[in-house]
Amino acid sequence: GEDVEQSLFLSVREGDSSVINCTYTDSSSTYLYWYKQEPGAGLQLLTYIFSNMDMKQDQRLTVLLNKKDKHLSLRIADTQTGDSAIYFCAERRGYSTLTFGKGTMLLVSP
Amino acid sequence: DAGITQSPRHKVTETGTPVTLRCHQTENHRYMYWYRQDPGHGLRLIHYSYGVKDTDKGEVSDGYSVSRSKTEDFLLTLESATSSQTSVYFCAISSAVATNEKLFFGSGTQLSVL
Repeated sequence: GEDVEQSLFLSVREGDSSVINCTYTDSSSTYLYWYKQEPGAGLQLLTYIFSNMDMKQDQRLTVLLNKKDKHLSLRIADTQTGDSAIYFCAERRGYSTLTFGKGTMLLVSP
Repeated sequence: DAGITQSPRHKVTETGTPVTLRCHQTENHRYMYWYRQDPGHGLRLIHYSYGVKDTDKGEVSDGYSVSRSKTEDFLLTLESATSSQTSVYFCAISSAVATNEKLFFGSGTQLSVL
């Protein structure tokens, strides 16, 4: 199938905001997800958004969804060194399983 | 990791040998999945199961087989390992597919095929 696209790398300074972008493929995708992977660990669900929503906020995390452009973004406010990880965007296409992007490595420097 | 145990955590094997990876869950979730993670490819689905003895192929199933004889266990077998199967393998579980599917992942198995 077509790929879910993400930029591969993002570097920010501690205290700044981080924005990780994702372009998905299926306009009928029902749910879109953000997962976080810390070194040596499995993926951990961060947040998700239903396709009839434009925005979802959860503490320092803000998810924006532009269905017209099939664009999803994750904003992390006040980024901390503990936020350094790989972030995966994933879409659910109809009743199929999740399709993941290749991941964006976020590096937060002090 | 949401009651998911993968074993072994690390394995080194030789080309041509059979290898079985095990995923054990204590959540009684219906759906279980095997993914592989490779640089430049992200996560790719190998096989998944939607119940005991019910399995289906993912996008990269060639060279792999699975079995699920009990709700809690999902086995991934490489019948004859090849160097291209060197990867990190993740098991995931989910309680629902039809609506909001949230996957919970194990810690992964690092497999090296020499």
